[in-house]
Amino acid sequence: DAKTTQPTSMDCAEGRAANLPCNHSTISGNEYVYWYRQIHSQGPQYIIHGLKNNETNEMASLIITEDRKSSTLILPHATLRDTAVYYCIVRVNTNAGKSTFGDGTTLTVKP
Amino acid sequence: NAGVTQTPKFQVLKTGQSMTLQCAQDMNHEYMSWYRQDPGMGLRLIHYSVGAGITDQGEVPNGYNVSRSTTEDFPLRLLSAAPSQTSVYFCASSRTGINIQYFGAGTRLSVL
Repeated sequence: DAKTTQPTSMDCAEGRAANLPCNHSTISGNEYVYWYRQIHSQGPQYIIHGLKNNETNEMASLIITEDRKSSTLILPHATLRDTAVYYCIVRVNTNAGKSTFGDGTTLTVKP
Repeated sequence: NAGVTQTPKFQVLKTGQSMTLQCAQDMNHEYMSWYRQDPGMGLRLIHYSVGAGITDQGEVPNGYNVSRSTTEDFPLRLLSAAPSQTSVYFCASSRTGINIQYFGAGTRLSVL
């Protein structure tokens, strides 16, 4: 898995967009960017993934830079329930069982 | 469809005791993994399996054994519990070719 760098913590106001950055400057051409989140004491939950195009689903949007060396997860209208640790993982699209999770970004959504 | 089920949810052991953490999935996923998460830390991979009969070590395998006799089950055995193994243990599964992992609710283990 390529190494990723995420800020340790971030705050966001409720109702505003939360933009969580991830740096992955050593990403290889066949590696995808995956995002998971872990709400306190629960198991991690998959959010979204992408290779090089921007992606959107019902939970979030993923913006990947043209050189693919960084990405941003966007929660368009953050709620208090989005307070969680967010993990950015970069790896090939096989053998997910060997994924490596770093320390992630703790996002705190404030009223 | 229960997804990934872990039992027990909580466990207290004395140093030196052995026990097995259970993990079962009903999604017919080939890949299964065990992670541990210490307080305030990220997840660390203990062991993983790419299919029945095939297992391999992750980052922190010492003190743990696994086996995979069926697609559905992937138990984690603590051979001789130590206080350093106090942690939350998560099991996950995923399908071949799709790198999306589904996690269980975790087992909170305390070793005294």
